[in-house]
Amino acid sequence: DTGVSQDPRHKITKRGQNVTFRCDPISEHNRLYWYRQTLGQGPEFLTYFQNEAQLEKSRLLSDRFSAERPKGSFSTLEIQRTEQGDSAMYLCASSPGVGSHQYFGAGTRLSVL
Amino acid sequence: GNSVTQMEGPVTLSEEAFLTINCTYTATGYPSLFWYVQYPGEGLQLLLKATKADDKGSNKGFEATYRKETTSFHLEKGSVQVSDSAVYFCALSDKDNFNKFYFGSGTKLNVKP
Repeated sequence: DTGVSQDPRHKITKRGQNVTFRCDPISEHNRLYWYRQTLGQGPEFLTYFQNEAQLEKSRLLSDRFSAERPKGSFSTLEIQRTEQGDSAMYLCASSPGVGSHQYFGAGTRLSVL
Repeated sequence: GNSVTQMEGPVTLSEEAFLTINCTYTATGYPSLFWYVQYPGEGLQLLLKATKADDKGSNKGFEATYRKETTSFHLEKGSVQVSDSAVYFCALSDKDNFNKFYFGSGTKLNVKP
């Protein structure tokens, strides 16, 4: 059990560029979640995967955001045409199933200039 | 809907002081309740949890009791240490909705020697 891993830890980009983040959950965790955390706030839910199926998306996830989990293992979160308002910490969490808590990665901090 | 409200920080205490961080929730069902801790530069770590009314979660000297009648889950510790300095998040999970988490805004704790 190596924990939830996120890459990169930090990303600085210019407005209008596309960025992609990766999350490697704890192996055999079939549930994977993405959250966004802005300064001074708690994490807010973005989307949820059970295995490879994306079962829920928040209204926070605009059309510029897309997430995948192609083989039910790692997941990617892509933001197209980044805006300054996208600057935040993006957190990934995984869980083995019903009744368990979520295990969080250290996050990817995005700064859009 | 579901939401969590926790006391604003920062909370500054001297070492060995008593700690209380208030947390109240609103939920449509019967959620599980959690306290997570976030140390600087690290991901959220589960501190303790309670899955039903009157359950008490405890870990590392911290305690919280699930109070359904007051919809509260206050975090307490009898004697804080400098190493307890961190941001504490109260959260609930919606067991009827893939364990989706709702977080409070976090309370920063500073413990001075």
